[in-house]
Amino acid sequence: ELKVEQNPLFLSMQEGKNYTIYCNYSTTSDRLYWYRQDPGKSLESLFVLLSNGAVKQEGRLMASLDTKARLSTLHITAAVHDLSATYFCASGGGADGLTFGKGTHLIIQP
Amino acid sequence: EAQVTQNPRYLITVTGKKLTVTCSQNMNHEYMSWYRQDPGLGLRQIYYSMNVEVTDKGDVPEGYKVSRKEKRNFPLILESPSPNQTSLYFCASRNAGTPYGYTFGSGTRLTVV
Repeated sequence: ELKVEQNPLFLSMQEGKNYTIYCNYSTTSDRLYWYRQDPGKSLESLFVLLSNGAVKQEGRLMASLDTKARLSTLHITAAVHDLSATYFCASGGGADGLTFGKGTHLIIQP
Repeated sequence: EAQVTQNPRYLITVTGKKLTVTCSQNMNHEYMSWYRQDPGLGLRQIYYSMNVEVTDKGDVPEGYKVSRKEKRNFPLILESPSPNQTSLYFCASRNAGTPYGYTFGSGTRLTVV
């Protein structure tokens, strides 16, 4: 059974600080996805990581994938309030869909 | 605009009254999935479909049915809803020929009383 574990599940941080969200998955899937969800909204795709060593960056967010360690990270640099949201990682993404972690609820305080 | 459309967005119903949540995508995607989202549990897959007339159970299929008679539509059917099916539901789709992630609908918030 494929499992995806995120940590932390809750994170409160100050603006301007850096932090990393970790995502471990239990199979050898080559694909790892990061989504953002704002309260009451749908899921917005942030990053698609398709191979070992993949690194993607968008603004203050950077995601990476280590398929040997079965680990993906989402790094936040110099956080700003607008990044407050819940972040999900998910593995799989084939015909049988996605397996999600439980999400990291991120609050960034001024 | 390329999108996944779910209806209704909000629904309050009573136990045992059959209901259908519709999902339609206009991107000619082969793959479609249904998920439910519950606090503290993240998103869990209910059913998925690889193409027309091909569906299979996800992690939490009990109490749900689906059909895929047309490529664009993938309705979720609750034949006898119960309060434990109160949840936020998402439909998603993906093109089989690309490695990119699934596109999600706006969600359906269902309350069963």
